[in-house]
Amino acid sequence: DVKVTQSSRYLVKRTGEKVFLECVQDMDHENMFWYRQDPGLGLRLIYFSYDVKMKEKGDIPEGYSVSREKKERFSLILESASTNQTSMYLCASSPDMRRKELFFGEGSRLTVL
Amino acid sequence: SQQGEEDPQALSIQEGENATMNCSYKTSINNLQWYRQNSGRGLVHLILIRSNEREKHSGRLRVTLDTSKKSSSLLITASRAADTASYFCATENTSGTYKYIFGTGTRLKVLA
Repeated sequence: DVKVTQSSRYLVKRTGEKVFLECVQDMDHENMFWYRQDPGLGLRLIYFSYDVKMKEKGDIPEGYSVSREKKERFSLILESASTNQTSMYLCASSPDMRRKELFFGEGSRLTVL
Repeated sequence: SQQGEEDPQALSIQEGENATMNCSYKTSINNLQWYRQNSGRGLVHLILIRSNEREKHSGRLRVTLDTSKKSSSLLITASRAADTASYFCATENTSGTYKYIFGTGTRLKVLA
């Protein structure tokens, strides 16, 4: 089975802190994604990556950056956390251009105080 | 704005009954997917239907797609308490740029 592992299930950070959310997949998938999920808004795409060192902005990239130095790992970085970034963050991967289904991690619930 | 909008927002049924959820979207799509999310967990892929398909089955799941109405429905037959979850549709538009757009979900509660 595909496993997408997010490093932290729950984090509490202070405003202005730098936050790293790590995601690792073990099935050699080409594509990786970061979403945030908020009540009433569904899932919104922050960034995605279709290859190592390649990234593209999603719908809400402001305040975030990403890093993909290795194929299996995709990191989401909040340079200076703010309270409006309190949310559930979901990492996902998909195999390639032909297979479209997304495999999700368990999520990281971030609270920014 | 959200591409996919699920209807109803919440649904409560008895075990053994069928559950139907609907998804409407706004632009042309390559495919539409349905996902399930248990409370506080990640999403799990259920089924994908391509734009040239009208109906697809997987176990107790039946998905239909009507591209002329820009809508899809997910039917869960003979529901079980374990089906209690939120269900989301996700669409990939015809540019195929991995920008799957998720709806806000239907919360299904199956009462034992």
